[in-house]
Amino acid sequence: AQKVTQAQTEISVVEKEDVTLDCVYETRDTTYYLFWYKQPPSGELVFLIRRNSFDEQNEISGRYSWNFQKSTSSFNFTITASQVVDSAVYFCALSEDSGSARQLTFGSGTQLTVLP
Amino acid sequence: ETGVTQTPRHLVMGMTNKKSLKCEQHLGHNAMYWYKQSAKKPLELMFVYNFKEQTENNSVPSRFSPECPNSSHLFLHLHTLQPEDSALYLCASSQVLTSGTDTQYFGPGTRLTVL
Repeated sequence: AQKVTQAQTEISVVEKEDVTLDCVYETRDTTYYLFWYKQPPSGELVFLIRRNSFDEQNEISGRYSWNFQKSTSSFNFTITASQVVDSAVYFCALSEDSGSARQLTFGSGTQLTVLP
Repeated sequence: ETGVTQTPRHLVMGMTNKKSLKCEQHLGHNAMYWYKQSAKKPLELMFVYNFKEQTENNSVPSRFSPECPNSSHLFLHLHTLQPEDSALYLCASSQVLTSGTDTQYFGPGTRLTVL
C-alpha cells in the first residue's frame, strides 16, 4: 500500500526566511510519481510539480526547489526567501504508474504561515 | 472560463434537502474526480470517472450519487446528508495517458455545511 507522510503539521516563519517542507513516501512500485500541491485559503489545490521515480535530479523554479532522494524515500520542498503570499497548506502526493485514472495518495498537509 | 470550475462555492443545506454540486473542466481532459476534504483529515477520493465511466467508488455512502454526462461535466447529487458530511468537496480532472501517470488539476471546491 502507498503512504505519504508529512510530519510537520504547522510551520511558522518570518518573511524572507527559507523553509523546507518534508515529505516521506512508501510504495512497493518501482515506477511512481510524486507531486506537490499548494492550497491557499481560497481552497483550490494548485499543482506545483510532478516528478517520476527515474528522475532524481533536483529541480528549481524561482524561489521553489525540490530535493528528491530515493535512498531515503523523500521528496522535500524548499521555499527560499519566503513571502506572505506563500502562506498556505502544502500537500505532497504519490501515484503509481498506470494507464488509467488513478487516485493520488495525499499526505496530511503542512500549514505554512509566513509572518510579515 | 478556464481550468476547472465548481458551483456553488458555498452551500448550506438541511438533512432532508436534495442538492447537487456541479463541476466543469475546460482542459479537454478525459477523467474527472470527486474528493472530500474534512477538517484535520487527508483528502479522500470519492469517485473517479474515466472516459465517462465510473472506475472507482471508494465505499462512499449512497446518499452521495455522482453523475458524469460527458467528459467535461461532473455532478455530485446529495440527499439526506448528515452533519458529518460537512466538508470541502473538490473536483479534479486529468488527461489519462496510455502509460505513465496523469496530473490532476483541481477546482476551487464547494464548501458544504449540513445543518
